[in-house]
Amino acid sequence: KAGVTQTPRYLIKTRGQQVTLSCSPISGHRSVSWYQQTPGQGLQFLFEYFSETQRNKGNFPGRFSGRQFSNSRSEMNVSTLELGDSALYLCASSLGSSETGELFFGEGSRLTVL
Amino acid sequence: GESVGLHLPTLSVQEGDSAVIKCTYSDSASNYFPWYKQELGKRPQLIIDIRSNMDKRQGQRVTVLLNKTVKHLSLQIAATQPGDSAVYFCAENTGGSYIPTFGRGTSLIVHP
Repeated sequence: KAGVTQTPRYLIKTRGQQVTLSCSPISGHRSVSWYQQTPGQGLQFLFEYFSETQRNKGNFPGRFSGRQFSNSRSEMNVSTLELGDSALYLCASSLGSSETGELFFGEGSRLTVL
Repeated sequence: GESVGLHLPTLSVQEGDSAVIKCTYSDSASNYFPWYKQELGKRPQLIIDIRSNMDKRQGQRVTVLLNKTVKHLSLQIAATQPGDSAVYFCAENTGGSYIPTFGRGTSLIVHP
């Protein structure tokens, strides 16, 4: 079956702009979570959506937002971009019904803010 | 959730040697501990996990140990190969959470 798909894979923005990233989960997966990855900072959790509802949220400013559609596809939006937002943004999907569920990651969207 | 801490950011070993990556966690309510491997330029993938009702779990060349008394985890990789070179993330799920909290990762370098 198809894996987790993220688009776009690469993008360049300037400070102050906004960006929308998309994530299509594995078929049947209802949970989509988003992570920011920067060198030396590991995988920092942004938020998780399950059945169109935000179920968990990390410690990121309100400029970071997301949503999930009825087909489980998810988008995340970053408004008023800052240089420090340059990172690899990974999404992961899972069934979302178990505390021990495996996360399946996409290849990520690499955002560069100039 | 609670953050997981790592003892070493980088670990270098010779091919064929064993590698041990250590991790600590601080939330005694954590009940599930997955380990993910991320090769350079690739996505993280689950390699092994352990639940809090276990002390040890073995996979193919990998073993994870859980010491709940001191809240330590360790990932042992036997007979390392260059393909084991990657960043390894330990993570923890606290009770009631469906999403793990990841540590910063340990970079393992296996020298041929």
